[in-house]
Amino acid sequence: AQSVAQPEDQVNVAEGNPLTVKCTYSVSGNPYLFWYVQYPNRGLQFLLKYITGDNLVKGSYGFEAEFNKSQTSFHLKKPSALVSDSALYFCAVRVPLGNTGKLIFGQGTTLQVKP
Amino acid sequence: NAGVTQTPKFQVLKTGQSMTLQCAQDMNHEYMSWYRQDPGMGLRLIHYSVGAGITDQGEVPNGYNVSRSTTEDFPLRLLSAAPSQTSVYFCASSYQSSTGGRTEAFFGQGTRLTVV
Repeated sequence: AQSVAQPEDQVNVAEGNPLTVKCTYSVSGNPYLFWYVQYPNRGLQFLLKYITGDNLVKGSYGFEAEFNKSQTSFHLKKPSALVSDSALYFCAVRVPLGNTGKLIFGQGTTLQVKP
Repeated sequence: NAGVTQTPKFQVLKTGQSMTLQCAQDMNHEYMSWYRQDPGMGLRLIHYSVGAGITDQGEVPNGYNVSRSTTEDFPLRLLSAAPSQTSVYFCASSYQSSTGGRTEAFFGQGTRLTVV
């Protein structure tokens, strides 16, 4: 079965320190990978995606993610965390099966950045 | 350009009542989806549509119906509400890119539904 795992329910970092939010996937075929962020009482906002090409993908708000095919991972990173980065982060995968390409989400990781 | 608009934002239902959650997008996206978000479970796909007149079931379709009579609208109907349907519901849309892949999904603000 196709799945996405975010092994950490919560990640705590100090402001100014680098952050990593982990994501691993299990799909057949070449995946399309996405990261979304959700602020309290808001919808999901797109951060970045990997379709093909460079394994390091840069996205919004200074975030980046590294696609590692051998480890089936797509970890989200930021060199210097801000308090305003505190939110719920979702990794998602879409396998391009025809036109459906349903998104499968991980369970989410709460990022807490402390001053 | 409003993006994806969901109404209502909040709703309380009694067990057994029916209602429709509205979703509209003004981006001319052919793909639309409904998800529910429950704590610790991420988002789970309820139903989706690849174009007007075409719908299909997702991961958790039971108790929900959808229709897609226009490109813009994709309402979600709860036939007989149950407490297990208490959740936050998100509608999303996307389109086929010029390279053939689906784009990222654009989400509405969500509807928080409580069934008592």
